[in-house]
Amino acid sequence: GNSVTQMEGPVTLSEEAFLTINCTYTATGYPSLFWYVQYPGEGLQLLLKATKADDKGSNKGFEATYRKETTSFHLEKGSVQVSDSAVYFCALRGANAGKSTFGDGTTLTVKP
Amino acid sequence: GAGVSQSPSNKVTEKGKDVELRCDPISGHTALYWYRQSLGQGLEFLIYFQGNSAPDKSGLPSDRFSAERTGGSVSTLTIQRTQQEDSAVYLCASSPAGSPDEKLFFGSGTQLSVL
Repeated sequence: GNSVTQMEGPVTLSEEAFLTINCTYTATGYPSLFWYVQYPGEGLQLLLKATKADDKGSNKGFEATYRKETTSFHLEKGSVQVSDSAVYFCALRGANAGKSTFGDGTTLTVKP
Repeated sequence: GAGVSQSPSNKVTEKGKDVELRCDPISGHTALYWYRQSLGQGLEFLIYFQGNSAPDKSGLPSDRFSAERTGGSVSTLTIQRTQQEDSAVYLCASSPAGSPDEKLFFGSGTQLSVL
């Protein structure tokens, strides 16, 4: 079945540091890939997505590139802010739709 | 409504009691999902409804768990004879048509505590 493996957390960074959160997946066919974010006290919301190989999703300074050859979708941001502190979830949706499969989440704390 | 609505937001119950959790998806969304988020862990898939198709129940952890979706809209997740390990946040999500590239819209969840 489908699976998502995320970089274990928690991750603590200073403001303006570079962020990478690794995500690799196992799936049949060509899934769609997503990053969701859960800010403190809020529900999960979509951060970005990519639906085919070599696509780059981007939003709020975050980027992730769909790498079919390495089955990866790593999340990056060049300069994090305190307001980026949240839990980040990598997810995939199979080509035949149905349920989405989520990683275990990575907690990011950004210190001023 | 504007978003996915879940009720109650918090539920405290005694071990052995039955509980019902409600989800009101975004109007017009045909796909509805239930997930469970235990403390410090990821999202565990429970069940998926898509239109009039038979639901995907492959994630339900035991026969104490069941869910229904009436009229293609509101869904109720029922846990019978609750156990302490059922304590978690239960999340509902919906999407417009169940297509692979659609994002999920999540509710705020129901925090279930079994004493």
